[in-house]
Amino acid sequence: GAGVSQTPSNKVTEKGKYVELRCDPISGHTALYWYRQSLGQGPEFLIYFQGTGAADDSGLPNDRFFAVRPEGSVSTLKIQRTERGDSAVYLCASSSSGGLNEQFFGPGTRLTVL
Amino acid sequence: GQNIDQPTEMTATEGAIVQINCTYQTSGFNGLFWYQQHAGEAPTFLSYNVLDGLEEKGRFSSFLSRSKGYSYLLLKELQMKDSASYLCAVRSIGGKLIFGQGTELSVKP
Repeated sequence: GAGVSQTPSNKVTEKGKYVELRCDPISGHTALYWYRQSLGQGPEFLIYFQGTGAADDSGLPNDRFFAVRPEGSVSTLKIQRTERGDSAVYLCASSSSGGLNEQFFGPGTRLTVL
Repeated sequence: GQNIDQPTEMTATEGAIVQINCTYQTSGFNGLFWYQQHAGEAPTFLSYNVLDGLEEKGRFSSFLSRSKGYSYLLLKELQMKDSASYLCAVRSIGGKLIFGQGTELSVKP
C-alpha cells in the first residue's frame, strides 16, 4: 500500500516568508509525528498528533512553528517569518495504535531559507 | 536530560561483520529502535528491542541492556548497499522518538 507522502519535496523561500509543509500519513494510522533533521544529525522531534489533537508539542522551537491535523489524517506544518536557521529536512512519520507501533517515515521536505 | 551517543562514523570491509554501539540516558524508556537512512532518503525501520537480550533478523541483530543503557546493532556479511547512516532512537513513554546523531557506515570492497 501507499506509504507516507510529503509535499513539496523541496521548498526554497526567502527570510521572513511563510511556508506550509504537508504530510499525508499511511491510511488508518492514528499517530502522526513531525521531526526536523539538519545535515549530519539525527531527526529532532517537533510535535506528535494522536487523532486530531496535538498530544505533545514540546519540540516546537518557538511560536513561529505551528501544526494542525483537522480531520485526523493529513497534517500541515506551518512556519511563520522563516529564518535561515529553519533550513533543514522536515520529516513526517505515522504509526498505528497497536502492536509494535514502529514509525514509518515519509521522504521529507527539504526547506531552504535564503 | 536526554542523551543518546553513537560513533559518528565507521568503516568496514565487504563480507565482514560490524557492530555499532549506542548508549543512552533518557527520562523515560519505551523501547529502542534502529533505523537505516541512505543519503537523501527517509529513515527505514530495522529493529526494535524493549526487553533485554538479542533480537535477530536475517543479517541484522540488535542487542539491548536496559540496566546499562546500552544497545548495539550487528550487521553480518556486509554488502556495499549497507553503506548508510544508522540511527539509534529511544522511544519515550509518550511515543516520540529521541534520536542519536547517527553513525555513518562506509563499506569498502
